[in-house]
Amino acid sequence: AQSVTQLDSQVPVFEEAPVELRCNYSSSVSVYLFWYVQYPNQGLQLLLKYLSGSTLVKSINGFEAEFNKSQTSFHLRKPSVHISDTAEYFCAVSENNAGNMLTFGGGTRLMVKP
Amino acid sequence: DSGVTQTPKHLITATGQRVTLRCSPRSGDLSVYWYQQSLDQGLQFLIQYYNGEERAKGNILERFSAQQFPDLHSELNLSSLELGDSALYFCASSVDNRGYGYTFGSGTRLTVV
Repeated sequence: AQSVTQLDSQVPVFEEAPVELRCNYSSSVSVYLFWYVQYPNQGLQLLLKYLSGSTLVKSINGFEAEFNKSQTSFHLRKPSVHISDTAEYFCAVSENNAGNMLTFGGGTRLMVKP
Repeated sequence: DSGVTQTPKHLITATGQRVTLRCSPRSGDLSVYWYQQSLDQGLQFLIQYYNGEERAKGNILERFSAQQFPDLHSELNLSSLELGDSALYFCASSVDNRGYGYTFGSGTRLTVV
């Protein structure tokens, strides 16, 4: 069975500083990987995804994540964060032989301070 | 607006009662997924329907059931409610059965008192 571990439950960071949110997964088969963002009192929004091809994937608002098969990781990074990036970030995995079900990590609360 | 509509947004009910949560998927999406988000369990997959048929089942209690109607909207029925059923219930949709990233609704917050 697949599982996802987000190593940090909270990450405080100052505005304009870089940030990395860590995600590790375990699965016995090939996987698809996702990062979702949840702003306060809202649903989850897909931030970026890895299905195949280039292991570095980017979002339109400056986030990027790199799939590392040997490390079974999919860490999320941003070189310079804004106050508006304050939210909960969820890493998720689905096994690509039956990609119906997403297994989510416990979430990382990113708190950007002025 | 994600295009996935969930009603009601908030629901407060007593233990032992039954409630129905409704979800309308994005236009053109055939798959509907239900997830439960609680403080102790995190985000848990409940069930998926594709074009009216059940396709995948997760950690869904026997007291819970769902269906997808011919117009593709879906309902999640929760019965014999317990305090521990208090949670955010999300619906998501995708165009196919492969789940290459869903679009989520804004959720229904259920409070059982």
